[in-house]
Amino acid sequence: NAGVTQTPKFQVLKTGQSMTLQCAQDMNHNSMYWYRQDPGMGLRLIYYSASEGTTDKGEVPNGYNVSRLNKREFSLRLESAAPSQTSVYFCASSEEGGAEAFFGQGTRLTVV
Amino acid sequence: SQQGEEDPQALSIQEGENATMNCSYKTSINNLQWYRQNSGRGLVHLILIRSNEREKHSGRLRVTLDTSKKSSSLLITASRAADTASYFCATDRMDSSYKLIFGSGTRLLVRP
Repeated sequence: NAGVTQTPKFQVLKTGQSMTLQCAQDMNHNSMYWYRQDPGMGLRLIYYSASEGTTDKGEVPNGYNVSRLNKREFSLRLESAAPSQTSVYFCASSEEGGAEAFFGQGTRLTVV
Repeated sequence: SQQGEEDPQALSIQEGENATMNCSYKTSINNLQWYRQNSGRGLVHLILIRSNEREKHSGRLRVTLDTSKKSSSLLITASRAADTASYFCATDRMDSSYKLIFGSGTRLLVRP
């Protein structure tokens, strides 16, 4: 049982490049989340998906788009990366919104 | 601004002592959760307390919730060096579709 799997684990982008962060969960959870964590800071919610086919903006959605491809997968896309998006990105899932969340190991993204 | 604010930001104690961390939040909640993060890794759920509960225990952890003061505390008793980590509170807000908004965290160092 893998839980929440994020790919890639590390990525370096040049300013203006685009990329998609992948997240998949195998716990049949309805809700999925994308957070970013800057050094020494807490997690800030980027986007949230309550169920397959629905997405909502979080605290810091600008510069990002998401796709809830199916119940298992929730991807985060950076269309034109900026240095301010250098961060560690965490995906999480929960059985329902607000319930205990399970986290992936994170993607460390550097934009130069 | 973030929903939860932890206090203190950093805490250093001797092994065997108790560690107390506090979390304050701004709006009414359905539940409040505490998570632990070891350096550079994903978060792990510790305990969830619902808005109609006042105290909850799990092993060496004790969580209290005071909804009138919009605050919670996490007590770790008989701390061990392995408890060294960052601890975050997260709230499930009643007034928003945002789910699991995290605070800024408390960095706990337990000295052997």
